[in-house]
Amino acid sequence: SQTIHQWPATLVQPVGSPLSLECTVEGTSNPNLYWYRQAAGRGLQLLFYSVGIGQISSEVPQNLSASRPQDRQFILSSKKLLLSDSGFYLCAWSVQRDSGYTFGSGTRLTVV
Amino acid sequence: TQLLEQSPQFLSIQEGENLTVYCNSSSVFSSLQWYRQEPGEGPVLLVTVVTGGEVKKLKRLTFQFGDARKDSSLHITAAQPGDTGLYLCAGAGNSNYQLIWGAGTKLIIKP
Repeated sequence: SQTIHQWPATLVQPVGSPLSLECTVEGTSNPNLYWYRQAAGRGLQLLFYSVGIGQISSEVPQNLSASRPQDRQFILSSKKLLLSDSGFYLCAWSVQRDSGYTFGSGTRLTVV
Repeated sequence: TQLLEQSPQFLSIQEGENLTVYCNSSSVFSSLQWYRQEPGEGPVLLVTVVTGGEVKKLKRLTFQFGDARKDSSLHITAAQPGDTGLYLCAGAGNSNYQLIWGAGTKLIIKP
């Protein structure tokens, strides 16, 4: 069966520090991978998506970057965090867009 | 730009009541998906509807896709406290890889 792992679950980082969030998928090959950010109790904002190794599409210009070093690994990074980077970050995968997304359990990032 | 307007944004009702959540757009979608999210967790896919006029039932939840594939509704019969959560709709539009997301409906069912 397919599973998605996202970690850490909670992270508190000082302003100006680096960030690395990791997401891995098991049980499927060549998935489409996504990073979303969600404001408290609201909808999802797409940050990055990837359709293959090394292929990254950015939706929102910002302080973040993403990489896909392996087929089932997706990493969200920042060199210097801002207060505005605080939020709930979600990783997701899909094989076909119309068949729906499977989400990780999310990372609550607080920048202080 | 394709948009999905979801309403209401917030709904608090008593256990046993019925409710309907709407997802509307001026754009046509090839499919529309409904997710439920609990606090601190990722959204979980409930259903996908792909055919205009399609109706799908999941126990007490009934999902309908509009005939023109521009809107959808989620109806819950005899709501229970376990139905509490954030309900999100998402439409498959012009992009091959992305979904268009509604802003969500926060549902609270009081015992």
